[in-house]
Amino acid sequence: GQNIDQPTEMTATEGAIVQINCTYQTSGFNGLFWYQQHAGEAPTFLSYNVLDGLEEKGRFSSFLSRSKGYSYLLLKELQMKDSASYLCAPMDSNYQLIWGAGTKLIIKP
Amino acid sequence: IAGITQAPTSQILAAGRRMTLRCTQDMRHNAMYWYRQDLGLGLRLIHYSNTAGTTGKGEVPDGYSVSRANTDDFPLTLASAVPSQTSVYFCASSGGQGGTEQFFGPGTRLTVL
Repeated sequence: GQNIDQPTEMTATEGAIVQINCTYQTSGFNGLFWYQQHAGEAPTFLSYNVLDGLEEKGRFSSFLSRSKGYSYLLLKELQMKDSASYLCAPMDSNYQLIWGAGTKLIIKP
Repeated sequence: IAGITQAPTSQILAAGRRMTLRCTQDMRHNAMYWYRQDLGLGLRLIHYSNTAGTTGKGEVPDGYSVSRANTDDFPLTLASAVPSQTSVYFCASSGGQGGTEQFFGPGTRLTVL
């Protein structure tokens, strides 16, 4: 079956660094997406990884290890506006996204 | 219009009633999707369309139908609503398969009583 596992909730301090992990099992693999979703809003695209390694985009970076079925999202210099849910979504062999339940990130001053 | 729009924003519906959720995009994207999002669960795919004139079933299609008469519009119909269809519904579109991101509409919050 297909399965996504990520922590339900994490807390971090403004200005700090946080890493959100995601492990996955899918039928085939065509890359992995990370989305951000603020409460009451739609998900918005953050990153896409299809090859192993780290992709850096400003304060956000995403890492992928296909052999381990593992990805993480790294957020640096945390700001209060980063308080949101972060959704891990690998793409299966049918090019469908398989969505995790998301990690709710709480930023404290 | 810029991006994807959905209507209505929210709706309270009596069980047994028919309801159509509207979705329109102006990005000329080929692929469109309908998801539902429930507390504590990930987004679940209801139906999708890879191009105008074609549709496919997702993970949770029962009780829902879609049509794709043109590139821009992808309505979702609940033929006879039931309380378990209470959810937030998101429409999304993408330029194609593979590594293309999906863009989401603002969502429709539906309550079935």
